[in-house]
Amino acid sequence: AQKITQTQPGMFVQEKEAVTLDCTYDTSDPSYGLFWYKQPSSGEMIFLIYQGSYDQQNATEGRYSLNFQKARKSANLVISASQLGDSAMYFCAMRELTGGGNKLTFGTGTQLKVEL
Amino acid sequence: DAGVIQSPRHEVTEMGQEVTLRCKPISGHDYLFWYRQTMMRGLELLIYFNNNVPIDDSGMPEDRFSAKMPNASFSTLKIQPSEPRDSAVYFCASKDDSQPQHFGDGTRLSIL
Repeated sequence: AQKITQTQPGMFVQEKEAVTLDCTYDTSDPSYGLFWYKQPSSGEMIFLIYQGSYDQQNATEGRYSLNFQKARKSANLVISASQLGDSAMYFCAMRELTGGGNKLTFGTGTQLKVEL
Repeated sequence: DAGVIQSPRHEVTEMGQEVTLRCKPISGHDYLFWYRQTMMRGLELLIYFNNNVPIDDSGMPEDRFSAKMPNASFSTLKIQPSEPRDSAVYFCASKDDSQPQHFGDGTRLSIL
């Protein structure tokens, strides 16, 4: 079974609108972390936001927020007030405590296109 | 503070040649990771180090691949001999205990 599933290969959003990128995960570990990374067309990987499995509140970082629903095993990324510069590939990743808690497993990504 | 630095940014070489990719982690980070990204397989962890010691190399595809970390500020990933199927973007990332992984800009490798 896939540990991280991103079901949206591509998404479109209009500038200034909000968009939600889906991520579901599969783990039996009680302690884990969830990450989102952005990869623009230039290729670098940029860390956006982190959510720990025991965090009581949803993580937020500026225009990024993580809609964490533990029972559903989902960790969707919400980008508010989309900008043209948000056009990029977005990856969800998970770190499990098993194996030392340092390995990241990545999803297949969602290509986001922000339109005028 | 400088980020993770990888070199070269691009490498084009012929099949059978030795390829060496280099990485300088963020100062103070004691974990270093090597990843490979391809269209077919996405982002895969190849190997990671903690305090210069290889901890998990289960992702290294075969014996043609080797990685070293002789000191806290330098690591190499070597492919010998290289094959066309090794063409990919190779990322290095580093972290300390309290931080997420920070990635370098990657090396785009093409094996002809």
